[in-house]
Amino acid sequence: AQKVTQAQTEISVVEKEDVTLDCVYETRDTTYYLFWYKQPPSGELVFLIRRNSFDEQNEISGRYSWNFQKSTSSFNFTITASQVVDSAVYFCALRSAGNNRKLIWGLGTSLAVNP
Amino acid sequence: DAGVIQSPRHEVTEMGQEVTLRCKPISGHDYLFWYRQTMMRGLELLIYFNNNVPIDDSGMPEDRFSAKMPNASFSTLKIQPSEPRDSAVYFCASSLRQLNQPQHFGDGTRLSIL
Repeated sequence: AQKVTQAQTEISVVEKEDVTLDCVYETRDTTYYLFWYKQPPSGELVFLIRRNSFDEQNEISGRYSWNFQKSTSSFNFTITASQVVDSAVYFCALRSAGNNRKLIWGLGTSLAVNP
Repeated sequence: DAGVIQSPRHEVTEMGQEVTLRCKPISGHDYLFWYRQTMMRGLELLIYFNNNVPIDDSGMPEDRFSAKMPNASFSTLKIQPSEPRDSAVYFCASSLRQLNQPQHFGDGTRLSIL
Protein backbone atom coordinates (compact mmCIF):
# COMPACT_ATOMS: atom_id res chain seq x y z
CA ALA A 1 0.00 0.00 0.00
CA GLN A 2 1.10 3.53 -0.65
CA LYS A 3 0.39 6.27 1.77
CA VAL A 4 1.45 9.76 2.77
CA THR A 5 0.96 10.91 6.33
CA GLN A 6 1.13 14.50 7.46
CA ALA A 7 0.48 14.08 11.14
CA GLN A 8 0.33 17.80 11.90
CA THR A 9 -3.09 19.06 10.95
CA GLU A 10 -2.52 22.65 12.05
CA ILE A 11 0.52 24.57 13.21
CA SER A 12 0.55 28.10 14.54
CA VAL A 13 3.77 30.05 14.99
CA VAL A 14 4.82 33.61 15.52
CA GLU A 15 6.68 35.40 12.77
CA LYS A 16 10.43 34.71 12.64
CA GLU A 17 10.09 31.32 14.29
CA ASP A 18 11.42 28.27 12.48
CA VAL A 19 8.87 25.60 11.71
CA THR A 20 9.14 22.04 10.39
CA LEU A 21 6.33 20.28 8.56
CA ASP A 22 6.51 16.52 8.72
CA CYS A 23 5.82 14.10 5.90
CA VAL A 24 6.09 10.32 6.24
CA TYR A 25 5.45 8.08 3.27
CA GLU A 26 4.95 4.38 2.58
CA THR A 27 5.72 2.57 -0.63
CA ARG A 28 7.19 -0.75 -1.66
CA ASP A 29 8.58 0.61 -4.88
CA THR A 30 12.28 1.35 -4.98
CA THR A 31 11.81 4.17 -7.45
CA TYR A 32 9.51 6.96 -6.38
CA TYR A 33 9.19 10.73 -6.28
CA LEU A 34 8.15 13.07 -3.53
CA PHE A 35 6.65 16.51 -3.92
CA TRP A 36 5.67 19.45 -1.78
CA TYR A 37 2.93 21.86 -2.76
CA LYS A 38 1.72 25.09 -1.16
CA GLN A 39 -1.90 26.24 -1.15
CA PRO A 40 -2.16 29.84 0.09
CA PRO A 41 -5.47 31.35 1.20
CA SER A 42 -6.12 32.47 -2.38
CA GLY A 43 -6.58 28.78 -3.20
CA GLU A 44 -4.15 27.92 -5.97
CA LEU A 45 -1.82 24.93 -5.65
CA VAL A 46 1.81 25.83 -6.16
CA PHE A 47 4.55 23.27 -6.76
CA LEU A 48 7.53 23.80 -4.44
CA ILE A 49 9.96 20.93 -4.81
CA ARG A 50 10.48 17.42 -6.12
CA ARG A 51 12.84 14.76 -4.79
CA ASN A 52 13.75 11.42 -6.41
CA SER A 53 14.14 8.30 -4.29
CA PHE A 54 17.71 7.79 -5.42
CA ASP A 55 18.80 11.29 -4.48
CA GLU A 56 18.98 11.83 -0.74
CA GLN A 57 20.69 15.16 -0.96
CA ASN A 58 18.93 17.76 1.11
CA GLU A 59 17.98 21.00 -0.53
CA ILE A 60 17.86 24.61 0.54
CA SER A 61 16.09 27.38 -1.30
CA GLY A 62 16.21 30.66 0.55
CA ARG A 63 14.31 30.22 3.80
CA TYR A 64 13.00 26.82 2.71
CA SER A 65 14.82 23.54 3.22
CA TRP A 66 13.91 19.92 2.74
CA ASN A 67 15.29 16.91 4.59
CA PHE A 68 14.82 13.60 2.78
CA GLN A 69 15.66 10.48 4.80
CA LYS A 70 14.94 7.10 3.26
CA SER A 71 15.84 5.32 6.50
CA THR A 72 12.82 6.87 8.20
CA SER A 73 10.71 7.31 5.03
CA SER A 74 10.42 11.00 5.71
CA PHE A 75 10.58 14.13 3.61
CA ASN A 76 10.30 17.02 6.01
CA PHE A 77 10.02 20.69 5.11
CA THR A 78 11.50 23.46 7.24
CA ILE A 79 10.78 27.15 6.96
CA THR A 80 13.38 29.31 8.65
CA ALA A 81 12.44 32.72 10.03
CA SER A 82 8.81 32.28 9.03
CA GLN A 83 6.83 35.17 7.60
CA VAL A 84 3.11 35.92 7.46
CA VAL A 85 3.18 35.20 3.71
CA ASP A 86 4.13 31.61 4.53
CA SER A 87 0.65 31.06 5.94
CA ALA A 88 -0.87 28.34 3.78
CA VAL A 89 -1.78 24.69 3.63
CA TYR A 90 1.19 22.56 2.64
CA PHE A 91 0.75 19.20 0.95
CA CYS A 92 3.22 16.38 0.59
CA ALA A 93 2.65 13.91 -2.25
CA LEU A 94 4.15 10.64 -3.49
CA ARG A 95 4.36 9.13 -6.93
CA SER A 96 5.69 5.59 -7.29
CA ALA A 97 6.98 4.19 -10.53
CA GLY A 98 4.42 1.41 -10.30
CA ASN A 99 1.46 3.70 -9.73
CA ASN A 100 1.07 5.18 -13.18
CA ARG A 101 0.74 8.92 -12.92
CA LYS A 102 -1.29 9.11 -9.75
CA LEU A 103 -0.10 11.23 -6.88
CA ILE A 104 -0.82 9.98 -3.39
CA TRP A 105 -1.55 13.06 -1.33
CA GLY A 106 -1.23 13.77 2.34
CA LEU A 107 -4.11 15.58 3.99
CA GLY A 108 -2.06 18.73 4.34
CA THR A 109 -0.75 20.83 7.20
CA SER A 110 -2.31 24.22 7.74
CA LEU A 111 0.37 26.69 8.82
CA ALA A 112 -0.58 30.00 10.37
CA VAL A 113 2.20 32.50 10.86
CA ASN A 114 1.07 35.27 13.15
CA PRO A 115 2.62 38.73 13.28
CA ASP B 1 5.04 31.01 -20.03
CA ALA B 2 1.32 30.60 -19.54
CA GLY B 3 0.30 28.18 -16.84
CA VAL B 4 -2.75 25.94 -16.75
CA ILE B 5 -5.82 28.04 -17.45
CA GLN B 6 -9.21 27.15 -16.03
CA SER B 7 -12.58 28.76 -16.58
CA PRO B 8 -14.76 29.89 -15.07
CA ARG B 9 -13.12 30.85 -11.77
CA HIS B 10 -16.44 30.76 -9.98
CA GLU B 11 -19.73 29.13 -10.90
CA VAL B 12 -22.97 29.30 -9.00
CA THR B 13 -25.90 27.41 -10.39
CA GLU B 14 -29.06 25.69 -9.33
CA MET B 15 -29.43 22.02 -8.71
CA GLY B 16 -30.28 20.09 -11.85
CA GLN B 17 -28.44 22.40 -14.22
CA GLU B 18 -25.60 21.27 -16.44
CA VAL B 19 -22.17 22.56 -15.48
CA THR B 20 -19.16 22.63 -17.78
CA LEU B 21 -15.68 23.36 -16.50
CA ARG B 22 -12.89 24.10 -18.93
CA CYS B 23 -9.16 23.66 -18.89
CA LYS B 24 -6.26 24.60 -21.12
CA PRO B 25 -3.09 22.71 -20.13
CA ILE B 26 0.43 23.99 -20.48
CA SER B 27 1.57 23.67 -24.04
CA GLY B 28 3.68 20.56 -24.59
CA HIS B 29 2.39 18.71 -21.57
CA ASP B 30 1.31 15.14 -22.26
CA TYR B 31 -0.81 14.53 -19.18
CA LEU B 32 -3.92 16.27 -17.92
CA PHE B 33 -5.59 15.67 -14.57
CA TRP B 34 -8.91 16.70 -13.07
CA TYR B 35 -9.18 16.93 -9.27
CA ARG B 36 -11.88 17.85 -6.82
CA GLN B 37 -11.10 19.40 -3.44
CA THR B 38 -13.48 19.48 -0.50
CA MET B 39 -12.99 19.95 3.22
CA MET B 40 -14.35 16.48 3.91
CA ARG B 41 -12.36 14.49 1.35
CA GLY B 42 -9.36 16.67 0.56
CA LEU B 43 -7.91 16.36 -2.94
CA GLU B 44 -9.43 13.60 -5.06
CA LEU B 45 -8.22 12.62 -8.51
CA LEU B 46 -11.23 12.28 -10.78
CA ILE B 47 -9.68 11.35 -14.12
CA TYR B 48 -6.50 11.77 -16.11
CA PHE B 49 -5.57 11.78 -19.77
CA ASN B 50 -2.42 10.93 -21.66
CA ASN B 51 -2.13 12.45 -25.12
CA ASN B 52 -5.87 13.21 -25.06
CA VAL B 53 -6.83 9.62 -24.19
CA PRO B 54 -8.52 8.92 -20.83
CA ILE B 55 -6.31 6.56 -18.86
CA ASP B 56 -7.99 6.24 -15.49
CA ASP B 57 -11.46 7.48 -14.64
CA SER B 58 -11.90 5.42 -11.51
CA GLY B 59 -12.22 8.57 -9.43
CA MET B 60 -15.24 9.90 -11.31
CA PRO B 61 -18.03 9.85 -8.72
CA GLU B 62 -20.87 8.66 -10.91
CA ASP B 63 -22.39 8.80 -14.34
CA ARG B 64 -23.37 12.41 -13.89
CA PHE B 65 -19.72 13.30 -14.37
CA SER B 66 -18.00 13.13 -17.73
CA ALA B 67 -14.72 14.46 -19.08
CA LYS B 68 -13.37 14.93 -22.57
CA MET B 69 -10.16 16.04 -24.16
CA PRO B 70 -10.84 16.68 -27.86
CA ASN B 71 -7.34 18.01 -28.48
CA ALA B 72 -4.05 18.64 -26.73
CA SER B 73 -4.98 22.14 -25.64
CA PHE B 74 -8.47 21.73 -24.25
CA SER B 75 -10.41 19.60 -21.81
CA THR B 76 -13.85 19.79 -20.24
CA LEU B 77 -15.40 18.33 -17.13
CA LYS B 78 -19.17 18.19 -17.27
CA ILE B 79 -21.68 17.52 -14.53
CA GLN B 80 -25.24 16.78 -15.60
CA PRO B 81 -27.45 17.05 -13.66
CA SER B 82 -25.64 18.89 -10.89
CA GLU B 83 -26.41 18.32 -7.21
CA PRO B 84 -25.55 20.35 -4.09
CA ARG B 85 -23.02 17.71 -3.02
CA ASP B 86 -21.00 18.49 -6.14
CA SER B 87 -20.08 21.84 -4.63
CA ALA B 88 -16.29 21.94 -4.41
CA VAL B 89 -13.19 23.43 -5.95
CA TYR B 90 -12.26 21.66 -9.16
CA PHE B 91 -8.65 21.77 -10.27
CA CYS B 92 -7.08 20.93 -13.57
CA ALA B 93 -3.38 20.07 -13.70
CA SER B 94 -0.95 19.08 -16.42
CA SER B 95 2.51 17.56 -16.55
CA LEU B 96 5.22 16.42 -18.87
CA ARG B 97 5.48 12.71 -19.53
CA GLN B 98 8.53 11.88 -17.39
CA LEU B 99 7.62 10.26 -14.10
CA ASN B 100 9.63 12.72 -12.08
CA GLN B 101 7.84 15.75 -13.47
CA PRO B 102 5.48 17.61 -11.15
CA GLN B 103 1.88 18.40 -11.91
CA HIS B 104 1.20 22.07 -12.46
CA PHE B 105 -2.20 23.28 -11.35
CA GLY B 106 -4.63 25.85 -12.59
CA ASP B 107 -6.24 28.31 -10.21
CA GLY B 108 -9.31 26.11 -9.86
CA THR B 109 -13.03 26.59 -10.37
CA ARG B 110 -15.07 27.18 -7.23
CA LEU B 111 -18.42 25.51 -7.91
CA SER B 112 -21.50 26.10 -5.81
CA ILE B 113 -24.68 24.17 -6.52
CA LEU B 114 -27.71 25.66 -4.78
